[in-house]
Amino acid sequence: SQQGEEDPQALSIQEGENATMNCSYKTSINNLQWYRQNSGRGLVHLILIRSNEREKHSGRLRVTLDTSKKSSSLLITASRAADTASYFCATDAVGIDDMRFGAGTRLTVKP
Amino acid sequence: SAVISQKPSRDICQRGTSLTIQCQVDSQVTMMFWYRQQPGQSLTLIATANQGSEATYESGFVIDKFPISRPNLTFSTLTVSNMSPEDSSIYLCSGNKGRATEAFFGQGTRLTVV
Repeated sequence: SQQGEEDPQALSIQEGENATMNCSYKTSINNLQWYRQNSGRGLVHLILIRSNEREKHSGRLRVTLDTSKKSSSLLITASRAADTASYFCATDAVGIDDMRFGAGTRLTVKP
Repeated sequence: SAVISQKPSRDICQRGTSLTIQCQVDSQVTMMFWYRQQPGQSLTLIATANQGSEATYESGFVIDKFPISRPNLTFSTLTVSNMSPEDSSIYLCSGNKGRATEAFFGQGTRLTVV
């Protein structure tokens, strides 16, 4: 079963704007990861943040993690049309070897 | 990192038949998983493919319907048996090189059952 929820379900912005997506989960985790998926194809790993980390950056991506609220956010700065995709968070729960995915956010960046 | 080659990329099958999906990894991975994804939805874990032993299935998925093999650390198959239109979906395999590491995904198999 899915681990968490994401919001918004869909987000439409103009090129150059920032996009923020949120993810909430239910159980204690070892880490949380964000993935990107284009048009129902394979997922591409974006960033992994461990439970003892609060913030992580990778290029235009910034991820925060608040374990007390069981939530994470993904910020994409200066968005581009090529960022149009679905974004999923996935959690690796304590004591569990597999990953569970959130519902995902469908991001559309208009040129 | 690792690259996973998944095939077929898509197929249209008659109800009552079976389809086997293959995933080949270009390097050894510790864990392999199979997911199902309905169009526009998230990924649902079907099972963990265990090397040399029976797969571990999630609630709602059974071995008779989704037999899985994993003969070594670089290869796994998922069979969708006795298919019905409700099995139409995207099936994805993934692998990782240990707990708490990034997962690598195949490109998915888009299955349509008619």
